[in-house]
Amino acid sequence: KAGVTQTPRYLIKTRGQQVTLSCSPISGHRSVSWYQQTPGQGLQFLFEYFSETQRNKGNFPGRFSGRQFSNSRSEMNVSTLELGDSALYLCASSSREALVGEQFFGPGTRLTVL
Amino acid sequence: TQLLEQSPQFLSIQEGENLTVYCNSSSVFSSLQWYRQEPGEGPVLLVTVVTGGEVKKLKRLTFQFGDARKDSSLHITAAQPGDTGLYLCAGPPSAAGNKLTFGGGTRVLVKP
Repeated sequence: KAGVTQTPRYLIKTRGQQVTLSCSPISGHRSVSWYQQTPGQGLQFLFEYFSETQRNKGNFPGRFSGRQFSNSRSEMNVSTLELGDSALYLCASSSREALVGEQFFGPGTRLTVL
Repeated sequence: TQLLEQSPQFLSIQEGENLTVYCNSSSVFSSLQWYRQEPGEGPVLLVTVVTGGEVKKLKRLTFQFGDARKDSSLHITAAQPGDTGLYLCAGPPSAAGNKLTFGGGTRVLVKP
């Protein structure tokens, strides 16, 4: 089975711009979660989608949003980028039948905001 | 908010030595997971522990879940350079869903 894929792998944007990141989960997985990883804050949960519905949400401002499509692929969007949004954005997928919380991560998208 | 604290933050050891990483919380977790992350990659799941007092072994890695399900440890025997990486513990809140709370991580460097 192919793993979780994320595109693009690297992105450079400037303050005020917006960005869209994409994630394709493992085939058959219906849950997709997004995390932000920074050296200072570590890995922080952004949101989770299951069957096109947001099921959980972390403590991030409304500039961070996401959606999931009927094929379980997911996108996250960050509007009005700030310098502090520079981070590795990780997507993880999970199957409903898996052990609770067991997730498989993609390689991430490295976002740099200048 | 349930927090997971990992210690130490950084470990540098020689090949062949043993090491232990700790993951502690003041809250009860329904399960705990351990991940290893290498530079430029996403975390890779090593193990999930579910039952209080559970011990799981994965080759040279031994994982333990505390009796009260508030803490966990990872012990590596005879560490090898390939064990180098960032080790993360994570757990879901007691509520349903796949939201994981991660510890701050322990960066392990095994020198040849």
